[in-house]
Amino acid sequence: QQPVQSPQAVILREGEDAVINCSSSKALYSVHWYRQKHGEAPVFLMILLKGGEQKGHEKISASFNEKKQQSSLYLTASQLSYSGTYFCGTIEYGQNFVFGPGTRLSVLP
Amino acid sequence: GAVVSQHPSWVICKSGTSVKIECRSLDFQATTMFWYRQFPKQSLMLMATSNEGSKATYEQGVEKDKFLINHASLTLSTLTVTSAHPEDSSFYICSARRGANQPQHFGDGTRLSIL
Repeated sequence: QQPVQSPQAVILREGEDAVINCSSSKALYSVHWYRQKHGEAPVFLMILLKGGEQKGHEKISASFNEKKQQSSLYLTASQLSYSGTYFCGTIEYGQNFVFGPGTRLSVLP
Repeated sequence: GAVVSQHPSWVICKSGTSVKIECRSLDFQATTMFWYRQFPKQSLMLMATSNEGSKATYEQGVEKDKFLINHASLTLSTLTVTSAHPEDSSFYICSARRGANQPQHFGDGTRLSIL
């Protein structure tokens, strides 16, 4: 079942923060985050496996709630290079990997 | 790093032609490779999952006779779009991963345009 992502799109000024959410109606085995720039392939950001887990990647970090049904991606002090579409991908227990619909992020100077 | 190479990048051909797309993991052995299709401004839609040495598992609604997948080795998978028609025009992307809890690493994609 495809996860739900919110918001669908967000526009920021350079230096502003953003949060992108990914949620499922069922407990997840794992959550993956990717960023895709226009015309390019998705690039892996991070994977979360444990409930309550938090991970950081430079100014980009993510959390996975205790129930393992919701993950958030945090973009701090955004840079122009952060622009793109962010996808979460989820694996339910016993199921295949499914990408979310994506969140389009535009960072303006 | 984990590099996945996908060729060709762009294909334009006439209706009825069969097109083969290659996906190679260059610096790691991929136990599983995935094939996706993506329409403009949409998410990636999984077409099939391919494990080395076994038949691919196709998602519901994907014609296995239309989209032939071969995973001959731990570093190579191919997707052949047989007798392609204009409705098959799309962006096709492969990915590869080392193991079950490992991230997927994507090729650069193939833009297929059928005239």
